[in-house]
Amino acid sequence: EVQLVQSGAEVKKPGESLKISCKGSGYSFTNYWIGWVRQMPGKGLEWMGIIYPGDSDTRYSPSFQGQVTISADKSSYTAYLQWSSLKASDTAMYYCARQVNPAESFQDWGQGTLITVSS
Amino acid sequence: QSVLTQPPSVSGAPGQRVTISCTGSSSNIGAHYDVHWYQQLPGTAPKLLIYGNNNRPSGVPDRFSGSKSGTSASLAITGLQAEDEAAYYCQSYDSSLSGYVMFGGGTKLTVL
Repeated sequence: EVQLVQSGAEVKKPGESLKISCKGSGYSFTNYWIGWVRQMPGKGLEWMGIIYPGDSDTRYSPSFQGQVTISADKSSYTAYLQWSSLKASDTAMYYCARQVNPAESFQDWGQGTLITVSS
Repeated sequence: QSVLTQPPSVSGAPGQRVTISCTGSSSNIGAHYDVHWYQQLPGTAPKLLIYGNNNRPSGVPDRFSGSKSGTSASLAITGLQAEDEAAYYCQSYDSSLSGYVMFGGGTKLTVL
């Protein structure tokens, strides 16, 4: 069974750094892209970027380029999304999801990680 | 503002048929990239509903169907049921600016 298991909810202060994770199992981790999707409270889905763990090819949405860093560790079957300095506007649910290639569907999704940034 | 445009809301009575449109452009849907649809029930992660314009993953009822024409796509739901009340999102790929994944703004379906 394919599973994407994300790290737990976080409460952080503005200016703090954060790295959340998405661990894949039940499939060949290096042969699928992992994407990150933001959902702000009461809003729609926003594509942030994707990474191909096989060779670390990474692509970002222009809206998120320079704001976050996406990475992956093949040895632990884990993808990451990180911020160096959080803002209140980063408060949202973040999902990881896998796809065969960037033009294909996201077949499987993680359960989501809720990030709350508040002073 | 999303590159893929969906109506913010649609509604229908149980048993009825509703459609949700997804309008793109020549650099995404019109460039022959596939359209995919997701259902997001309240408080849950999105779930793949339709892939490759008109294909259902295993377990998705045949009440759900997709179509695509030109620069637009549609999701149709027949025999509407109370449990279909959810948000629905289309997704495609855009070949401009080095290529990006795109989501529509989402459509909230209300079952009356």
